[in-house]
Amino acid sequence: QSVLTQPPSVSGAPGQRVTISCTGSSSNIGAGFDVHWYQQLPGTAPKLLIYSNSNRPSGVPDRFSGSKSGTSASLAITGLQAEDEADYYCQSYDSSLSGYVFGTGTKVTVL
Amino acid sequence: EVQLVESGGGLVRPGGSLRLSCGASGFTFSNAWMSWVRQAPGKGLEWVGRIKSQTDGGTTDFAAPVKGRFTISRDASKNTLYLQMNSLKTEDTAVYYCTTVSGGSHYYWGQGTLVTVSS
Repeated sequence: QSVLTQPPSVSGAPGQRVTISCTGSSSNIGAGFDVHWYQQLPGTAPKLLIYSNSNRPSGVPDRFSGSKSGTSASLAITGLQAEDEADYYCQSYDSSLSGYVFGTGTKVTVL
Repeated sequence: EVQLVESGGGLVRPGGSLRLSCGASGFTFSNAWMSWVRQAPGKGLEWVGRIKSQTDGGTTDFAAPVKGRFTISRDASKNTLYLQMNSLKTEDTAVYYCTTVSGGSHYYWGQGTLVTVSS
């Protein structure tokens, strides 16, 4: 059972903005541990999308942005494109579990 | 270019053992923290365990469901990471990914190897 909660699905039309929430607790996000985001396209391995709350690795479009506040974090996708249809996961570290934790995952559908 | 290539997956009976390997290239393997992450069919990502670099002590940590059954090791001379899995259960069935760990993030990922535990 994951300790980071995400909505199961979000959808939007091409060009729209969608956001994905990641809710944690005082032992992970609220304790100050960074949040990272991954994109998993169908049938492929996950890929790092955002690291340390709001930083993009080289090659990730600036349409993707991340933020963190309190015990939650968010991923925003602006100018939604068909190629953004994928599963998205947040991840942090949990001091109570002494290990890394992933979110429950969110499927993004482009209408 | 960073490359991580997992191998060793397959079908194993409950209670059996299996060793996965992950060949690494394109970065200084000995300085890297490494993790294993798994994904059961149709499910989300689950962290399995991590090994620190030798310079940081080379210690390991594991998720509760696998603690005491799985071990992680590394061979710097072969640039290879290992996951030894013992006392396997049907719920260990998953694709297992090898990743690099940087600043708490799982930066680079391999393509994964499928482990099926079934009688």
